[in-house]
Formats: sequence, C-alpha cells, structure tokens
Amino acid sequence: DAKTTQPTSMDCAEGRAANLPCNHSTISGNEYVYWYRQIHSQGPQYIIHGLKNNETNEMASLIITEDRKSSTLILPHATLRDTAVYYCIVAIYNQGGKLIFGQGTELSVKP
Amino acid sequence: SAVISQKPSRDICQRGTSLTIQCQVDSQVTMMFWYRQQPGQSLTLIATANQGSEATYESGFVIDKFPISRPNLTFSTLTVSNMSPEDSSIYLCSPERGKQFFGPGTRLTVL
Repeated sequence: DAKTTQPTSMDCAEGRAANLPCNHSTISGNEYVYWYRQIHSQGPQYIIHGLKNNETNEMASLIITEDRKSSTLILPHATLRDTAVYYCIVAIYNQGGKLIFGQGTELSVKP
Repeated sequence: SAVISQKPSRDICQRGTSLTIQCQVDSQVTMMFWYRQQPGQSLTLIATANQGSEATYESGFVIDKFPISRPNLTFSTLTVSNMSPEDSSIYLCSPERGKQFFGPGTRLTVL
C-alpha cells in the first residue's frame, strides 16, 4: 500500500504558486520523498526528490518538514500545462526502491 | 533521464489470446519495473525484473499470467497471457537509473 496521503484534488490560478501537500508519517530513515506527475495519456514524469533538506530544481521546490512526516511540492508559477495528477511517493533511493503509487492529487490550473 | 520505447504503443486483442510488450532503454539499467494502469486508476506495480534472475511479482500478480523476460540490461518484455477484458489497461515499463523513469506505455484493449 502507498505510504502517503494527499488531497484528491486542488485548483490553482494560472501564474500563482501551487502548493501540493503530502503526509508520510510512517516514513523510514532511509526513504526519500519523490514527486512525479502524470499529464493525461502520458507516462509519469519525474519532478524532484529529497531526503531531509529542501530541494529546488528547474521544475519545482520540495519542502520537507524537520520531522520528515510531511512535505510540500511548490510549483512557483503554475501554467495551464501544469494541469496533471501529482504523486507523492516514499521509497529507497537507487537500490531497487520500487515506487508504490497512491491516488495522487489532481491539480487543475485555471486561467 | 532515459529514453524508453515500448512496442506496441497500443493494441486491440481478443479474449483468450496473449500479447508480448517490449521495452527498450537507451542505456544499461540494473532494474526494470513493470506497472499497470487501469482506466481512471493510479499505477499498480506488477513486478520487478533484474537481468539474469527471475522477476519478483507483487501481491496479486503471478508469473503464469504475466511472464517477464530480461535478457540484457537494455531490454525487457512483459507478456499478458490468456487475456480477458479486465486486462484492458495501460502497461508501462520503468527503468531505474538512480530514479525511475517511465515511457509512454502500451494501451491494451481486450474485447
């Protein structure tokens, strides 16, 4: 079973920041937090991952709480093309840590 | 990232037949994962395939129904055997190189 809890859906205005929360209260010390997204009819796309420090790349920022029991994915300036299902997953990194997908958050970016 | 190609991209099959899906990656990867995504649902992990060993199947999936081959580090196949309409899904391979990447998948419809 998935080890994360996410809201089923969220809306965001175009140009505004989208903040997607995720709870993972049973995360283990060697598990990373991964975020993927799936745009309709495409395979999931990797966004970002982190262990305990906040991370930022060209797509998004990942904020992980100090106790690591929750995290937030931030899309700083959401566009219509960011409309997708966003999955938060916890898994071991690079050692066959298989990704178990939950139901994700369906983000709708509106004009 | 990784360039992943799957063949066929889509197919329509008759009940009781089998279909073999091919997954080719542009570089060597140790682990390959196979997922299924039923209509309107999230992704479900079918099995993990390492080169040179038998695949490891998740609960609810068996080798007789979903045999997997992994002849080398860039290629894998998944066969969906004795198909029924309930097997209608998108099937995705996902190689791991540090993190998992996903191809566009194979859209299977069983009549």
